[in-house]
Amino acid sequence: SQTIHQWPATLVQPVGSPLSLECTVEGTSNPNLYWYRQAAGRGLQLLFYSVGIGQISSEVPQNLSASRPQDRQFILSSKKLLLSDSGFYLCAWGQLNYGYTFGSGTRLTVV
Amino acid sequence: AQSVTQLDSQVPVFEEAPVELRCNYSSSVSVYLFWYVQYPNQGLQLLLKYLSGSTLVESINGFEAEFNKSQTSFHLRKPSVHISDTAEYFCAVSGYNFNKFYFGSGTKLNVKP
Repeated sequence: SQTIHQWPATLVQPVGSPLSLECTVEGTSNPNLYWYRQAAGRGLQLLFYSVGIGQISSEVPQNLSASRPQDRQFILSSKKLLLSDSGFYLCAWGQLNYGYTFGSGTRLTVV
Repeated sequence: AQSVTQLDSQVPVFEEAPVELRCNYSSSVSVYLFWYVQYPNQGLQLLLKYLSGSTLVESINGFEAEFNKSQTSFHLRKPSVHISDTAEYFCAVSGYNFNKFYFGSGTKLNVKP
């Protein structure tokens, strides 16, 4: 069966520090992968999506970047965090005729 | 491009009462439609989806949604809610290529005893 792993679950980082959130998928190959952010009181904002290794599409210009070094690995990064980067980050993989399967999320608080 | 509007940000309702969460979409192409549920501090879980066929789709926990193409709507309903249904619900739309999903802003359902 297919599963998606996302870590860490919670993270508190100071302003200006780097960020690396990792997401891995098991049980499937060449998945479409996505990073979403959910800010308090707001809906889901698509940040990045990837249809293959090394292929990254950015939806919103911002302080973040994404990489896909392996088929089933998707990483969200930042060189210097801002207070506005706080939020709930969700990784997802998309499956034809099914929809999205989401990870359990990472609660990032920038202080 | 597609977009999704969830008209109610919060819906309070008493236990065992019926509920409807509204979702409208706009798209210049045919779409797939989804409802997701999010419990506090968790990821989103697929509740139900419309891909093709019958316009009325049901979930295993008593929710149903009806695809109305003329009104571009996909409202979620349940005839009798439980306390455990308290969560945030997101409507989403995707084009046939499934490359990108667009989510509504979410509706918080608060079921009161």
